[in-house]
Amino acid sequence: DAGVIQSPRHEVTEMGQEVTLRCKPISGHDYLFWYRQTMMRGLELLIYFNNNVPIDDSGMPEDRFSAKMPNASFSTLKIQPSEPRDSAVYFCASRSGTGMNTEAFFGQGTRLTVV
Amino acid sequence: KQEVTQIPAALSVPEGENLVLNCSFTDSAIYNLQWFRQDPGKGLTSLLLIQSSQREQTSGRLNASLDKSSGRSTLYIAASQPGDSATYLCAVGELSGGYQKVTFGTGTKLQVIP
Repeated sequence: DAGVIQSPRHEVTEMGQEVTLRCKPISGHDYLFWYRQTMMRGLELLIYFNNNVPIDDSGMPEDRFSAKMPNASFSTLKIQPSEPRDSAVYFCASRSGTGMNTEAFFGQGTRLTVV
Repeated sequence: KQEVTQIPAALSVPEGENLVLNCSFTDSAIYNLQWFRQDPGKGLTSLLLIQSSQREQTSGRLNASLDKSSGRSTLYIAASQPGDSATYLCAVGELSGGYQKVTFGTGTKLQVIP
C-alpha cells in the first residue's frame, strides 16, 4: 500500500475562492481523520469518520468548512469561501479500528496558502 | 475533553547526549499512546505505539514509557544524533462515544547539535 495519499501537496488560492483538499486512506482502514496544523495551535482535529460516517465534527472551525467521505477510499475537506486565516497544513490520517494495536498513519499534508 | 501537553516546547542538546521528552494527558482513560516524529515541511512518521496495558515499548535507540495513572508518557532517546533533530509529538487514543479518537500534544522541537 502506498500509504495515505493527499492532494494537492501545495495550494495557493485567493481569498474567497473555494478550496478542496483530497485524501485517500490506506485500504482497509475504517477510521479517517482530518487535522489542521499551524504554528500557533499545533495539530487540531477537525473531523473524523468511521466507516464513512462523520462521528465528531466539533473541531470544524466554521460553517465554511465541510468534509465528506463518499466511499471507503476517498474523502474531501472543502473550504468555501477561503480566508487568509485558513492558511495552514492540512493532514489526513487513517487507522484500523480493529483491536488496540492500531497505529495512525498520516499523509504528507497539503500546505494551503490563502492570499 | 482530553488535553495533551508536551514540555519542553523546544530542546537543544549536544550530540551523544541521552534525553527525555515528556507528554502529559488529562484523562487517563486512554487505550493507547503513539509517538510521532515530524521533520520540517514533512508529514508525521510513527515511532512507537504503546497500548494501555503496556508500560513501555522499545525501538532501537528509542524507548517510550506509559504511566496511565499519572497521565504521563516519556520518550527516551539514547545517544542522540543530529539526524534526530525534528519535532516529536505524542498522540493519545481514546474511546469517545464508542468510537476511537486521537488527540495530539503540542510537540517538542528537538535540535541535536553536532
